[in-house]
Amino acid sequence: QQQVKQSPQSLIVQKGGISIINCAYENTAFDYFPWYQQFPGKGPALLIAIRPDVSEKKEGRFTISFNKSAKQFSLHIMDSQPGDSATYFCAASRWNFNKFYFGSGTKLNVKP
Amino acid sequence: DAMVIQNPRYQVTQFGKPVTLSCSQTLNHNVMYWYQQKSSQAPKLLFHYYDKDFNNEADTPDNFQSRRPNTSFCFLDIRSPGLGDAAMYLCATSTEAGAYEQYFGPGTRLTVT
Repeated sequence: QQQVKQSPQSLIVQKGGISIINCAYENTAFDYFPWYQQFPGKGPALLIAIRPDVSEKKEGRFTISFNKSAKQFSLHIMDSQPGDSATYFCAASRWNFNKFYFGSGTKLNVKP
Repeated sequence: DAMVIQNPRYQVTQFGKPVTLSCSQTLNHNVMYWYQQKSSQAPKLLFHYYDKDFNNEADTPDNFQSRRPNTSFCFLDIRSPGLGDAAMYLCATSTEAGAYEQYFGPGTRLTVT
């Protein structure tokens, strides 16, 4: 059973546009929701993360929106740049559990 | 200032020939993870160590073993690699349980011929 569902699988955005990637989860015990960015041939790197006590978190051009009642969270990339072209993974975890459940990934292509 | 180091970055092995991948960390983190990532897929957790305590995922094949001789090092042993084991293998670390961020290494790309 897939614990975290991610969409879309791929996304093409023009430079300067907004990229939106969505994730949904099932387990209400999850209390940590990170987004990872992965470039080809590299390991994933933490981009931004949120806990369910807030509905939004912003870091620079990256924003997580969190809807606890709907069990959904999304990543918004404002003013998307070609350098943002990468694969993005959402994930979910819970306190003291030492395990992430990853979404299936979204390959973002920002066209110049 | 590399934090999670994986060696080698690329490994070619023959079908059925044992191979060992290594991971070292300079973060002094208690928890170390091994993930398998196939092309265009999410990382899949194989197992993790919390200090010396080994935690195997239920669906990790017996063909995969791990050793953690000390805090800094962790090894992934594939006893008899099959063609289906060709993948990127990622090592990650995190601090005490409950501290969530995982720091990933650059990965080892394994090819099985």
